[in-house]
Amino acid sequence: EVQLVQSGAEVKKPGESLKISCKPFGYSFTSYWVAWVRQRPGKGLEWMGIIYPGDSDIKYSPPFQGQVTISADKSIGTAYLQWSSLKVSDTAMYFCARPREVGTQAWLDYWGQGTRVTVSS
Amino acid sequence: AIQMTQSPSSLSASVGDRVTITCRAGQGIRNDLGWYQQKPGKAPKLLIYAASSLQIGVPSRFSGSGSGTDFTLTISNLQPEDFATYYCLQDYTYPWTFGQGTKVEIK
Repeated sequence: EVQLVQSGAEVKKPGESLKISCKPFGYSFTSYWVAWVRQRPGKGLEWMGIIYPGDSDIKYSPPFQGQVTISADKSIGTAYLQWSSLKVSDTAMYFCARPREVGTQAWLDYWGQGTRVTVSS
Repeated sequence: AIQMTQSPSSLSASVGDRVTITCRAGQGIRNDLGWYQQKPGKAPKLLIYAASSLQIGVPSRFSGSGSGTDFTLTISNLQPEDFATYYCLQDYTYPWTFGQGTKVEIK
């Protein structure tokens, strides 16, 4: 059974660093992209970026380029989303998701449970 | 980035109603579009992929149509468990982009 298991909720102060994780089970980690999606409180879904763990190819959405770092560790089969200096505006739920690809098309068929990040002074 | 304009932003409907949600892309995206359902506090769930293909396990009252720039999600015979927020997502080109969401509420 495919599952994506995310790390637990975090409470941080502005300026602190943070790295959250997403560990897939039930399929070959290096054979599928992993996407990250943000949802601020009471707001819609925002596509942040995506990584292919097989070769660490990464695509960022422009609003998130330079604001976060997406990475993956093939040795332990885990994808990461990290911040070097958090802002209050980073307060959100963050989801990882696995795209299933068929030809040139893809869709997010499996999702993690979400990691809630709260940034407050 | 391709802008996805979803409408309406919210709607009220009754059990048994037929509901239609639309998504318009800022440029042609072939049929590279999915529809997702999200309930409060939960991760989104894939309903429709490639604009009109029903994901395994999703009830047949959900259907999708469209190609190019205009897409539709239809829920026929609305059920209590269908009250949720629905999003479209284009995967035609990076960055993928979501619509703003449509909240379906009970009338």
